[in-house]
Amino acid sequence: NAGVMQNPRHLVRRRGQEARLRCSPMKGHSHVYWYRQLPEEGLKFMVYLQKENIIDESGMPKERFSAEFPKEGPSILRIQQVVRGDSAAYFCASSPDRAREKLFFGSGTQLSVL
Amino acid sequence: AQSVSQHNHHVILSEAASLELGCNYSYGGTVNLFWYVQYPGQHLQLLLKYFSGDPLVKGIKGFEAEFIKSKFSFNLRKPSVQWSDTAEYFCAVNSYNTDKLIFGTGTRLQVFP
Repeated sequence: NAGVMQNPRHLVRRRGQEARLRCSPMKGHSHVYWYRQLPEEGLKFMVYLQKENIIDESGMPKERFSAEFPKEGPSILRIQQVVRGDSAAYFCASSPDRAREKLFFGSGTQLSVL
Repeated sequence: AQSVSQHNHHVILSEAASLELGCNYSYGGTVNLFWYVQYPGQHLQLLLKYFSGDPLVKGIKGFEAEFIKSKFSFNLRKPSVQWSDTAEYFCAVNSYNTDKLIFGTGTRLQVFP
């Protein structure tokens, strides 16, 4: 049973480009969470999605950031017109339901903006 | 708003030393509490969790944590650390009526043989 898969592991973008981060949840999991970890800071909640629905996006920056979790395929976190401050590790977690004790994390995507 | 404080940012210990990592949270209602560990280059893994019942929680790899409601604390302990415990440790909390975990800033533990 494969764990939560995130790709790419490392992503380098120049300022102004778009970054697309993918997260494939564990088999049977329909709930996905995205977190961001900035240097010297803890993980900050960004967004919580279920299949085809955004449940809570209270942690998403108002502009340039969007997330989706389509009926088929991985969840995508999209950052348009990246800036240096977007450089961070982005983690995805999945669970089969809303129970927090069944939350499993991926290995993260390290985004570097030049 | 909920918040989590981890006071020790970087801890250095020798093998066999005892470990205690502090975690305090701010929320007056019912909470669920977690400790996660991130080994170098790996994903976050759940060490232990508290939902209800016995406030002394046993986790994997000999770790335990004690929930003290009056102190809003959930400190992580291990009587004798090993070199393989070198990792970053995160405390997290969520109230029963929300879906998101609030994480502390993490504590980097280095254990020297």
